[in-house]
Amino acid sequence: AQSVTQLGSHVSVSEGALVLLRCNYSSSVPPYLFWYVQYPNQGLQLLLKYTTGATLVKGINGFEAEFKKSETSFHLTKPSAHMSDAAEYFCAVSGRDDKIIFGKGTRLHILP
Amino acid sequence: NAGVTQTPKFQVLKTGQSMTLQCAQDMNHNSMYWYRQDPGMGLRLIYYSASEGTTDKGEVPNGYNVSRLNKREFSLRLESAAPSQTSVYFCASSDLLGPEAFFGQGTRLTVV
Repeated sequence: AQSVTQLGSHVSVSEGALVLLRCNYSSSVPPYLFWYVQYPNQGLQLLLKYTTGATLVKGINGFEAEFKKSETSFHLTKPSAHMSDAAEYFCAVSGRDDKIIFGKGTRLHILP
Repeated sequence: NAGVTQTPKFQVLKTGQSMTLQCAQDMNHNSMYWYRQDPGMGLRLIYYSASEGTTDKGEVPNGYNVSRLNKREFSLRLESAAPSQTSVYFCASSDLLGPEAFFGQGTRLTVV
């Protein structure tokens, strides 16, 4: 079975500062890992995914995440926050041939 | 290319009424999902279908039934709606070749 823990339901950063959103997972099999973003009153959009291979994954809008098996983590980062990054971010995990389980989400606030 | 289409977008029900949420995908995906999203709870899996003709319970299946009508369509039925089922419902689909989930725009359901 898989599970996801996102640390911090709300994170605030200043515009131009580093964004770091934390995600830890539990999986009994090699995981697939995902980050999604949700803007107000919209559906979910995939930011990036890890399946196999390179552990540093680059996504859209300048975001990236690193799969660390030893730490069971998949933290999301962006070097410089922009006002348009304000949204809710969800980490998700699945095993191969298995359902996708989501974390509770982290709302990112960007301070001017 | 429509992707995942959900109907209706909004619905208000009275306690005890029934209704079916419809979902269709045109990406030839094998797996389909129904999630509900509540503030602070993230996306919780209601039901999952790995392929046509199969369905499995997720984290919060009570009060819901599903039908995988064919490869394209996966419906969610509330037999006797309760106020606790007030939520935003998302349908999604995925495929092993992906394997990320693609989401519909959601159905905002209010039970009064």
